[in-house]
Amino acid sequence: QKEVEQDPGPLSVPEGAIVSLNCTYSNSAFQYFMWYRQYSRKGPELLMYTYSSGNKEDGRFTAQVDKSSKYISLFIRDSQPSDSATYLCAMSFTGNQFYFGTGTSLTVIP
Amino acid sequence: NAGVMQNPRHLVRRRGQEARLRCSPMKGHSHVYWYRQLPEEGLKFMVYLQKENIIDESGMPKERFSAEFPKEGPSILRIQQVVRGDSAAYFCASSLTGGSNQPQHFGDGTRLSIL
Repeated sequence: QKEVEQDPGPLSVPEGAIVSLNCTYSNSAFQYFMWYRQYSRKGPELLMYTYSSGNKEDGRFTAQVDKSSKYISLFIRDSQPSDSATYLCAMSFTGNQFYFGTGTSLTVIP
Repeated sequence: NAGVMQNPRHLVRRRGQEARLRCSPMKGHSHVYWYRQLPEEGLKFMVYLQKENIIDESGMPKERFSAEFPKEGPSILRIQQVVRGDSAAYFCASSLTGGSNQPQHFGDGTRLSIL
């Protein structure tokens, strides 16, 4: 079983839609959770960084962590064509290793 | 991705040659991490370094791979006697300090192709 599971998609939505991206994980020791956005041929760009359970909001982005269910989500409101990218979840416990999901490919159609 | 510089962006090597990948961290960052990304797979941790020290190399293959982060200059990931299976995108990330409470910022990667 992989440490982090992420549906690869692809996910296609119309412009303005609310997008929900999710990851599940198996290691209950994970405490730090991140979402990255990766455009083609580029490096991952940090979007959201949260610790433990709860919600965090930044502009159109909201990250949720449910440690009891070992489930994290990223919501994108009012999605834009420029949001079209691959979204990676990542998590870590007390070490310096980050465990990444395989990424979900998102296309926002104008 | 501003700040973390990786070069070259693309590297082509023949089987048996050596590949050297360079990474300059963001200004002020003294912690560097290397990851490998294969098609259809997530980023896989390889090694974590501070200046002049390897902190965690648990993700690095035991043979042919080595990494360093000297006191002066960029971090180097070296792959000796490359094989076709080494073809991948190699990403470097840096953080201000170590520990999981410090987010890692990535460069744009080096895409290594083995002929």
